[in-house]
Amino acid sequence: DAGVIQSPRHEVTEMGQEVTLRCKPISGHDYLFWYRQTMMRGLELLIYFNNNVPIDDSGMPEDRFSAKMPNASFSTLKIQPSEPRDSAVYFCASRGGTAFNSPLHFGNGTRLTVT
Amino acid sequence: AQSVTQLGSHVSVSEGALVLLRCNYSSSVPPYLFWYVQYPNQGLQLLLKYTTGATLVKGINGFEAEFKKSETSFHLTKPSAHMSDAAEYFCAVTFNAGGTSYGKLTFGQGTILTVHP
Repeated sequence: DAGVIQSPRHEVTEMGQEVTLRCKPISGHDYLFWYRQTMMRGLELLIYFNNNVPIDDSGMPEDRFSAKMPNASFSTLKIQPSEPRDSAVYFCASRGGTAFNSPLHFGNGTRLTVT
Repeated sequence: AQSVTQLGSHVSVSEGALVLLRCNYSSSVPPYLFWYVQYPNQGLQLLLKYTTGATLVKGINGFEAEFKKSETSFHLTKPSAHMSDAAEYFCAVTFNAGGTSYGKLTFGQGTILTVHP
């Protein structure tokens, strides 16, 4: 199993530009999560999907952030326009199994730098 | 509402020494607790989890944790530290939201473990 795959690993962009982060979950997993990690705020859950449907987006910081999951094998997190305070590591994670306490499987993250 | 507090953002030990990383939780319903480890430039990996049953939980790489309801704690231990244990460790809590519903996983702020030769 290839695990959760995120791309790109690093993204450097200028303020005001659109940024798109991509995630391929583990095949067969029916939950997908987007987290943001910063020194100041730690790990924050932004949004999660179940069977491609967004369930809880209360962690999305602003309307500049949007996430989609057009099918079971792909999700995107978009920031438009980007701001320096969006600089962080963004993780995608997926979860399978019927048990609510099945572990999350994380990708290696995308380090975003907005200048 | 539920939360976890990790005591100590940095812990430093010598190779071969006991590792103790502290986690206290707050939950209005029975909690389910996890420890994850994050190596540099990687995502988080599950070390161990407590759901129900035995309160002493064994995980990978020789780590274990004990659920103590009376102390609302779930501390992570390892008898003898190895250089390869150097990483950041996260405690997390969730709960049974009913059926197979997902209970939101709340992470602590993390503890960076440094192991000296």
